[in-house]
Amino acid sequence: DIVLTQSPESLAVSLGERATINCRSSRSLLYTPNNKNYLTWFQQRPGQPPKLLIYWASTRESGVPDRFSGSGSGTDFSLTISNLQAEDVAVYYCQQYYTTPLNFGGGTRLEIK
Amino acid sequence: EVQLLESGGGLVQPGGSLRLSCAASGFTFGNFAMSWFRQAPGKRPEWVAGISGSGHATYYADSVKGRLTFYRDNSNNTLLLQMDSLRAEDTAVYYCAKASQWDLPTTFPSWGQGIRVTVSS
Repeated sequence: DIVLTQSPESLAVSLGERATINCRSSRSLLYTPNNKNYLTWFQQRPGQPPKLLIYWASTRESGVPDRFSGSGSGTDFSLTISNLQAEDVAVYYCQQYYTTPLNFGGGTRLEIK
Repeated sequence: EVQLLESGGGLVQPGGSLRLSCAASGFTFGNFAMSWFRQAPGKRPEWVAGISGSGHATYYADSVKGRLTFYRDNSNNTLLLQMDSLRAEDTAVYYCAKASQWDLPTTFPSWGQGIRVTVSS
């Protein structure tokens, strides 16, 4: 199984500042024939289901603010949230869809400083 | 608008059975793979099972293989998850989710609100 390791476990950032969350995979998520990375990022607010933010490691889902951006390739990925807003307080998860089981990272709790 | 509504959760004793349903609307149901995910309190989400758009291909996490069976009824836009030999570690909120394409593995952009399953004596 592919194991995803996120860092940090928690993060406190001031409003208007930038937050960066990292995700490392135990094996490459880059599928060479199409040059795509099979990694998504989810946001989960308390009491809500996970919400898809980013797929193919860097493509924003429709309706997601452009403050959210994804980067990385192979085994190392990042989610960056610029100009942090109060509504961004949540737990963020990376998830791979290269193969089943579709595993998630351990999550990063983002709070306002 | 995609809508997914789970039902059938509740309290069940260890070793017991439960059947979860998910009613889907707002999209051409048979064109998309579907999955069940679950999330225990304070834990990361866990993918449980997936099924192709036709229903001919099913996929299961090792933790539930042989105990959970995933079906779909494309004529009624419904998913069914038959859960047998339930254990305490199956306690979680269960979510059904719509895939972005016909088969797994793929992304899951649409999720239901979830249904709670508690396995306890």
